[in-house]
Amino acid sequence: AQSVTQLGSHVSVSEGALVLLRCNYSSSVPPYLFWYVQYPNQGLQLLLKYTSAATLVKGINGFEAEFKKSETSFHLTKPSAHMSDAAEYFCAVSDGNAGNMLTFGGGTRLMVKP
Amino acid sequence: EAGVAQSPRYKIIEKRQSVAFWCNPISGHATLYWYQQILGQGPKLLIQFQNNGVVDDSQLPKDRFSAERLKGVDSTLKIQPAKLEDSAVYLCASSLKDTQYFGPGTRLTVL
Repeated sequence: AQSVTQLGSHVSVSEGALVLLRCNYSSSVPPYLFWYVQYPNQGLQLLLKYTSAATLVKGINGFEAEFKKSETSFHLTKPSAHMSDAAEYFCAVSDGNAGNMLTFGGGTRLMVKP
Repeated sequence: EAGVAQSPRYKIIEKRQSVAFWCNPISGHATLYWYQQILGQGPKLLIQFQNNGVVDDSQLPKDRFSAERLKGVDSTLKIQPAKLEDSAVYLCASSLKDTQYFGPGTRLTVL
């Protein structure tokens, strides 16, 4: 069984500050890991994914995440927050097989203060 | 390339009524998923199709929920009868390989 824990259901940062959203996973097989962003009244948009290649993954909108097997983590970062980054962020894990079923974390709402 | 299409976007019904949602995946995507996203939570998989066959429906409440994917393209998800706790956003996603692409969702309110 796989699971995802996102520490902090709400994170608030000032515009221009570092964004750090935490994700820890558990998986009995080498995982595939994903970060999705959800804006109000919209579906989920893929930010980035890790599928066993480079451990530092760069995504859209200046976001990146690093896969750390020893820490079972896949934290999402962005050097400088922008007002438009305010949204809900979801971390998800799949095993890359069995139809790539995703297990999602509970989500982190990012708020950006001017 | 067109994304995943879903309709309707919003639906309000009373408990014990029935409702159906429609999804059209990205062209060529063999795998289609339906998720339920309750307010404040992450999406939860309800059912997964590979072409027109069911791969996993272990979390689908089969006493009231049903889904089909005729001809391996479009899919419909039905709830009959609806309960108050079914109020949620129903997301459809499709994939070709390892990445799922999501539609805008249908927001269901059960009164």
